[in-house]
Amino acid sequence: AQSVTQLGSHVSVSEGALVLLRCNYSSSVPPYLFWYVQYPNQGLQLLLKYTSAATLVKGINGFEAEFKKSETSFHLTKPSAHMSDAAEYFCAVNFGNEKLTFGTGTRLTIIP
Amino acid sequence: DAMVIQNPRYQVTQFGKPVTLSCSQTLNHNVMYWYQQKSSQAPKLLFHYYDKDFNNEADTPDNFQSRRPNTSFCFLDIRSPGLGDAAMYLCATSRSGGFEETQYFGPGTRLLVL
Repeated sequence: AQSVTQLGSHVSVSEGALVLLRCNYSSSVPPYLFWYVQYPNQGLQLLLKYTSAATLVKGINGFEAEFKKSETSFHLTKPSAHMSDAAEYFCAVNFGNEKLTFGTGTRLTIIP
Repeated sequence: DAMVIQNPRYQVTQFGKPVTLSCSQTLNHNVMYWYQQKSSQAPKLLFHYYDKDFNNEADTPDNFQSRRPNTSFCFLDIRSPGLGDAAMYLCATSRSGGFEETQYFGPGTRLLVL
């Protein structure tokens, strides 16, 4: 079965600390992977996406993610958290059709 | 700037009173999507249009319908809203629905049912 899993519905990090948000997928076809961010009462904004080019993908706001086929993972990282990073983060996968399958989301809290 | 616009941002309706949410886009994208997002949950796809072709998700209630009169506009009609339909409704577009394409989201309409 094709699925996407985000481990940790809530993650808290101190300002300046490393941010790591986890995403794993299960797919029988090469997936296309996305990370979106959602600020309160707003729509979703693309952070970055993997489309079978470089496995390390750099996105906006200093975020990056690495596609690891052997681990079926696409974890999102940022070296130094900023207060403005507090938001909900969704991993999403296209399994080879017109639709995205979203993970359940991770709410990131930044501790001053 | 090219964008996806949703009106209104907040909508209050009464139980059972029909309501229409609107979405417009200046991106000239072929595909438009409607998602329902309940509090602290992932967006759930309701349906999408590939140009004029309508694609309904199997578990989308009959109470939800959609219209796309032209490339730029798409409407979500809720015929008889129930309390369980209170949610954020997100409209999104993509250029041609390709696997690698980004979906561009509007700011959403938050629906409250009294």
